[in-house]
Amino acid sequence: LAKTTQPISMDSYEGQEVNITCSHNNIATNDYITWYQQFPSQGPRFIIQGYKTKVTNEVASLFIPADRKSSTLSLPRVSLSDTAVYYCLVVGGDTGNQFYFGTGTSLTVIP
Amino acid sequence: DVKVTQSSRYLVKRTGEKVFLECVQDMDHENMFWYRQDPGLGLRLIYFSYDVKMKEKGDIPEGYSVSREKKERFSLILESASTNQTSMYLCASSLSQQGADTEAFFGQGTRLTVV
Repeated sequence: LAKTTQPISMDSYEGQEVNITCSHNNIATNDYITWYQQFPSQGPRFIIQGYKTKVTNEVASLFIPADRKSSTLSLPRVSLSDTAVYYCLVVGGDTGNQFYFGTGTSLTVIP
Repeated sequence: DVKVTQSSRYLVKRTGEKVFLECVQDMDHENMFWYRQDPGLGLRLIYFSYDVKMKEKGDIPEGYSVSREKKERFSLILESASTNQTSMYLCASSLSQQGADTEAFFGQGTRLTVV
């Protein structure tokens, strides 16, 4: 199974762009890279998924290099409400349908 | 609207009790999951089920069992609760398809305290 490695915590000031990088060296050909966000006392929720290159939605952008061994979640102009834990997963394909979340990255946005 | 419902938000049980945590989803999903979340350890997969009456162990199945008699319901059972099972328990479900759009939907969690 392709496990992931990401920083334990990050701090950022309001209004800045935040980039969280995840490594997944053992990603399989058919796996997708997925990011989840979790606020305190809530379950995680899906924010973005990609296979290669760049994906953008209303919440974030996801950058995936050609070798797919890492990915970067980009949050533009963060606000206090973006304070949360962000999880990087590889899912589907050879990983099957299991979702392994790990410890995630705790992002704190500072006023 | 997608919904995963866990039967209790907070639960206090005594050591040695048999504890049932219930989870119901209304999305006709094939896959269902149970996680526990502890500070500094992230979410750890206990068990998952990919079909009725089917189950597979996750990373930390010891001390737990599960039951999936109906597609929409997945129960986590603590046969004899212990204090080290005090934790937040999260249930999730997803479609069986692989590849893109394999999104997991979570319930609100059950905070279990074993005294």
